[in-house]
Amino acid sequence: DVKVTQSSRYLVKRTGEKVFLECVQDMDHENMFWYRQDPGLGLRLIYFSYDVKMKEKGDIPEGYSVSREKKERFSLILESASTNQTSMYLCASSPPQGSTDTQYFGPGTRLTVL
Amino acid sequence: AQSVTQPDIHITVSEGASLELRCNYSYGATPYLFWYVQSPGQGLQLLLKYFSGDTLVQGIKGFEAEFKRSQSSFNLRKPSVHWSDAAEYFCAVGIIYNTDKLIFGTGTRLQVFP
Repeated sequence: DVKVTQSSRYLVKRTGEKVFLECVQDMDHENMFWYRQDPGLGLRLIYFSYDVKMKEKGDIPEGYSVSREKKERFSLILESASTNQTSMYLCASSPPQGSTDTQYFGPGTRLTVL
Repeated sequence: AQSVTQPDIHITVSEGASLELRCNYSYGATPYLFWYVQSPGQGLQLLLKYFSGDTLVQGIKGFEAEFKRSQSSFNLRKPSVHWSDAAEYFCAVGIIYNTDKLIFGTGTRLQVFP
């Protein structure tokens, strides 16, 4: 069974803090993704990575950065958290391009920025 | 541009009734299509996927979906809904030939009355 874990289920931070969200997958997947989920907007892709140290911007990268130093771990960084970054953050992983497999999701981190 | 539309934000059905959740997509090539379910406080779980072949796809939990190219639709169905099916449902189209990205719809929240 594919397992994607996220470091925290709930997180409360203050405006201006630096925030790290960690994601780990155990299936040796090449691709990893960070989404944010907001009511009425569905899931929007923030960043994705198709290999170690490789990253590409998704649809809403502003205010975020990522790090992938090891294949199994993909971190989302909020350099200076703002209240409009209060959201549910979902991590996912998948095999490489051309596979008929799909994305597997972690349980999510609900981040509140005060 | 690729997009997914789920026209129903919220659907309420009685337990035992049939269910159909609508999904329309916009994509220039043959799409890869997915339905995911998200129970409260959880990540997304894959219900079913369509890559090629038979246009009627069977999934987990008694769900099925039918790909209709002429209507650009991939509607999800279940003949008899159970109270445990109450959740949010997301349709997604896969941009497989590019970067394995998924484009999600905004979701349909299903409420089930006893």
